[in-house]
Amino acid sequence: DTGVSQNPRHKITKRGQNVTFRCDPISEHNRLYWYRQTLGQGPEFLTYFQNEAQLEKSRLLSDRFSAERPKGSFSTLEIQRTEQGDSAMYLCASSLAYGGRSYGYTFGSGTRLTVV
Amino acid sequence: RKEVEQDPGPFNVPEGATVAFNCTYSNSASQSFFWYRQDCRKEPKLLMSVYSSGNEDGRFTAQLNRASQYISLLIRDSKLSDSATYLCVAIIGMDTGRRALTFGSGTRLQVQP
Repeated sequence: DTGVSQNPRHKITKRGQNVTFRCDPISEHNRLYWYRQTLGQGPEFLTYFQNEAQLEKSRLLSDRFSAERPKGSFSTLEIQRTEQGDSAMYLCASSLAYGGRSYGYTFGSGTRLTVV
Repeated sequence: RKEVEQDPGPFNVPEGATVAFNCTYSNSASQSFFWYRQDCRKEPKLLMSVYSSGNEDGRFTAQLNRASQYISLLIRDSKLSDSATYLCVAIIGMDTGRRALTFGSGTRLQVQP
């Protein structure tokens, strides 16, 4: 296992198109997080899953955004009707959570989205 | 006001210099604190956790002052390879279950030969 894998690495799309990103976490990790990072800012939390359950969504996650983790393994993040303001790096992270603590918190390399 | 605030820099220092970064957090119920390092166009990577007693890892020393809600990172004997953005990170609030990270905007360090 080489860590958290994200695909694609880069995506350029026209405004109004839909895009989908994939994240494959570290295999034994039960938690999966999505973050978004814009230029000059730190990553911002979007949503997270415990196994297949989506437990929280940030108010940053508008109705155009949806995330799934259907079998508690990989996750997808879809953005519908993309806008230029969606241009950012989308980061996925995974961890093993138990006993109220988190272990092995690891980020993927991210998907850089450019909306033109 | 952002929950985690940092001076964005950049800090331009010569090799061998000692440099210190500061960070403040607004939620007194914040529990865990970290420093992450992020290289240009790469993902953030954990540099070190921050404990109230202070902790050191080689040339890096992190301190937490809960009374002042203040976190610091000291880098001694700076190397060219230390050039990066340093992100101050907290787990905000009492909800330990969530464990989502709240990042500052980062402080950019450029070490010059």
